[in-house]
Amino acid sequence: DIQMTQSPSTLSASVGDRVTITCRASQSISSWLAWYQQKPGKVPKLLIYDASSLESGVPSRFSGSGSGTEFTLTISSLQPDDFATYYCQQYNSYWTFGQGTKVEIK
Amino acid sequence: EVLLLESGGGLVQPGGSLRLSCAASGLTFSSYTMTWGRQAPGKGLEWVSSISGSGSRTYYADSVKGRFTISRDNSKNTLYLQMNSLRAEDTAVYYCAKNPRGYTYGNFDLWGQGTLVTVSS
Repeated sequence: DIQMTQSPSTLSASVGDRVTITCRASQSISSWLAWYQQKPGKVPKLLIYDASSLESGVPSRFSGSGSGTEFTLTISSLQPDDFATYYCQQYNSYWTFGQGTKVEIK
Repeated sequence: EVLLLESGGGLVQPGGSLRLSCAASGLTFSSYTMTWGRQAPGKGLEWVSSISGSGSRTYYADSVKGRFTISRDNSKNTLYLQMNSLRAEDTAVYYCAKNPRGYTYGNFDLWGQGTLVTVSS
């Protein structure tokens, strides 16, 4: 089974900050990686797919990069609406989520 | 607009059974692999099971294999999850999700609102 490890688990940041979240796979997953945003009590929302493709309607301040085993999600300028939990997910072989990264207000 | 609406959640005793349904609208249902995921209270997301568009291929997480069965009725645009031998650790919000076309596996590009399953005596 492929394991996904996100870091950090919690991130404190201010509006306007550049934020980076890392996701590592236990084996190569090529570019078969997605990023989701989830707010408390809400449904997960797809942000990035195939490691770096922006889902339709998602603000361009979100970007993804990486391939193989190491991936990053970057928010170029954190907005009030971005405080949430972010999950990575591999879909190279079945499906596995990372444990999540909570982005909270500093 | 594509919509996914889950139903069937509730309180069940350990060892009991429950069947979840997910009604889909606004899409050619049979064209898409569909998925069940879950989220235990205060915990992260977990993939549970997926089924191909025709229903010929099914996939299960180890945690539910042998206890849960995924199925679909393309004539009714409905996805199902039969859950047997339920355990306390199965307590979670269960989400129905749609996979995009063109992938062997694929991400989950649309999620339903979820239905809560509570396993407790």
